[in-house]
Amino acid sequence: DTAVSQTPKYLVTQMGNDKSIKCEQNLGHDTMYWYKQDSKKFLKIMFSYNNKELIINETVPNRFSPKSPDKAHLNLHINSLELGDSAVYFCASSQERTRDHYEQYFGPGTRLTVT
Amino acid sequence: SQQGEEDPQALSIQEGENATMNCSYKTSINNLQWYRQNSGRGLVHLILIRSNEREKHSGRLRVTLDTSKKSSSLLITASRAADTASYFCATIGYGQNFVFGPGTRLSVLP
Repeated sequence: DTAVSQTPKYLVTQMGNDKSIKCEQNLGHDTMYWYKQDSKKFLKIMFSYNNKELIINETVPNRFSPKSPDKAHLNLHINSLELGDSAVYFCASSQERTRDHYEQYFGPGTRLTVT
Repeated sequence: SQQGEEDPQALSIQEGENATMNCSYKTSINNLQWYRQNSGRGLVHLILIRSNEREKHSGRLRVTLDTSKKSSSLLITASRAADTASYFCATIGYGQNFVFGPGTRLSVLP
């Protein structure tokens, strides 16, 4: 069984469009994350959710909005896409962020290309 | 501030050789973790070392942590072609986010 899954795997869209990426984890973890990996492979955290509450909101444009319908899901919605949004987006989950920081489990990534 | 900067950026070795990658960071940490990323895939957790630990082993992996120098090293012994991947260290401070470094690209040649 896949622990952390993301859909879609590839997403090609035009500038100005709105798109969503979905993430689901079946590990029972309390915390989920979204990361952006640029072309140089640098991985930057964007958001994390703990028990449906946003606890980290890095300095990302407000065009990006995480949505968590329940503890097992954290979706990423992007408005008015720009060329610079092209990257690979990874979802991850872990246990108990507030008490100790266990290892993170990553999804396979979504490669977003904005044309 | 950026933490978890790996060194070297790229490393090529022959199968059977050992590979050593280093990670430096800037502020106090709770723990440090190493991850592997195969091309086109997500990151996979390898090993976690806590700030009060100095060395940890897992199979062919050996991780050291020197908090006085704010550095860690990952040693892969008897490397295999399947070890070819990018390796990232991630640091986490008290009440802080995970911060990943830019990674070391390891190529193990058959």
